[in-house]
Amino acid sequence: AQTVTQSQPEMSVQEAETVTLSCTYDTSENNYYLFWYKQPPSRQMILVIRQEAYKQQNATENRFSVNFQKAAKSFSLKISDSQLGDTAMYFCAFEARGGSEKLVFGKGTKLTVNP
Amino acid sequence: DTGVSQDPRHKITKRGQNVTFRCDPISEHNRLYWYRQTLGQGPEFLTYFQNEAQLEKSRLLSDRFSAERPKGSFSTLEIQRTEQGDSAMYLCASSPGTKKQETQYFGPGTRLLVL
Repeated sequence: AQTVTQSQPEMSVQEAETVTLSCTYDTSENNYYLFWYKQPPSRQMILVIRQEAYKQQNATENRFSVNFQKAAKSFSLKISDSQLGDTAMYFCAFEARGGSEKLVFGKGTKLTVNP
Repeated sequence: DTGVSQDPRHKITKRGQNVTFRCDPISEHNRLYWYRQTLGQGPEFLTYFQNEAQLEKSRLLSDRFSAERPKGSFSTLEIQRTEQGDSAMYLCASSPGTKKQETQYFGPGTRLLVL
């Protein structure tokens, strides 16, 4: 069974600064995807960024980038130039390819961006 | 395309009552997932449909829970004889199922409170 661990229950950052959210996972699978999802207060979960395990290059989406360390089973999210709208719960998730491809989530990190 | 929709958005019920939730996935998405999210936790997988076939159920899904996707389009999740421990956010997600792009898109959720 896969597990996902987010060791930072809460984090805060000043507007325009950079913050990194941590995620580690445990799996015996070789073919999988990793995701960061964002869940703003009282709003639905949306995908921030995804990484395919077979790709060595770290994924980047505008101000969001990941540091994927496959051997260490680490998948951190860096948010640059933080904006007030980035305030949300952030969930790291794992998906093994094949089968149901269900998502296994961590417990989340509550990020607050301060003005 | 308006995304994944769920109805109702909120439900308050008394212990012992039955409740039913509906999920309408993104048009032409073959895969549909149900997750449950309790306070302070990440979503946990409940069950998964490929078209109309229910292919996987979590151990979290007790015999009081039943899910259907009769025509491979919308899905319903029914909880019979609700218990206070069923209080949670019930999330639905869909994905194309084309093997090319398997990102899951989430609905806004149904928040259930059992009194």
